[in-house]
Amino acid sequence: DVKVTQSSRYLVKRTGEKVFLECVQDMDHENMFWYRQDPGLGLRLIYFSYDVKMKEKGDIPEGYSVSREKKERFSLILESASTNQTSMYLCASSKPSAVTLGTQYFGPGTRLLVL
Amino acid sequence: GENVEQHPSTLSVQEGDSAVIKCTYSDSASNYFPWYKQELGKRPQLIIDIRSNVGEKKDQRIAVTLNKTAKHFSLHITETQPEDSAVYFCAASLTGNTPLVFGKGTRLSVIA
Repeated sequence: DVKVTQSSRYLVKRTGEKVFLECVQDMDHENMFWYRQDPGLGLRLIYFSYDVKMKEKGDIPEGYSVSREKKERFSLILESASTNQTSMYLCASSKPSAVTLGTQYFGPGTRLLVL
Repeated sequence: GENVEQHPSTLSVQEGDSAVIKCTYSDSASNYFPWYKQELGKRPQLIIDIRSNVGEKKDQRIAVTLNKTAKHFSLHITETQPEDSAVYFCAASLTGNTPLVFGKGTRLSVIA
């Protein structure tokens, strides 16, 4: 059974703080993703990674960076948190199939509030 | 890039009735279309998917249809039950190393 975990379920940070969100998967998946979920906007891709030390920008990368030093761990970094980054952050992982990036398995989410 | 539109944004049905959620996509080269269900306070989970070489796929009370010519695909839930209440997301992608593009979601409420 695939398990994707995120370091925190809830976080409260101050504007300007550097914020780290951690995601770990235990199924040896090559692909990992970070999304933010906002009411009425669905799931929007921030960054994704095909392999260790590789990263690709998604649709809304501004204000974020990522790190993938180990295959099982994908970190999302908010360099200087702003109030408009208050959101639910979802991590996902997948094992590529022959033709697609594979079924995505999501973590439980981190609800971030930036004051 | 790909754009996915999903309708309706909210849907209420009586228990036992059918529910239909529709999505359109913009990139005619897209050929993988999954549907995810997210129950309140929980993570999204894949419930069914379809590839472009198939026009319809069924799994018990859930079915997905795909019309490549019109660039739309739909989720059909028959004999709805209260546990079907959730937010449903459609998505589309090209094959290969292309990430999914999600629709904005449909909140389905099944009224007992």
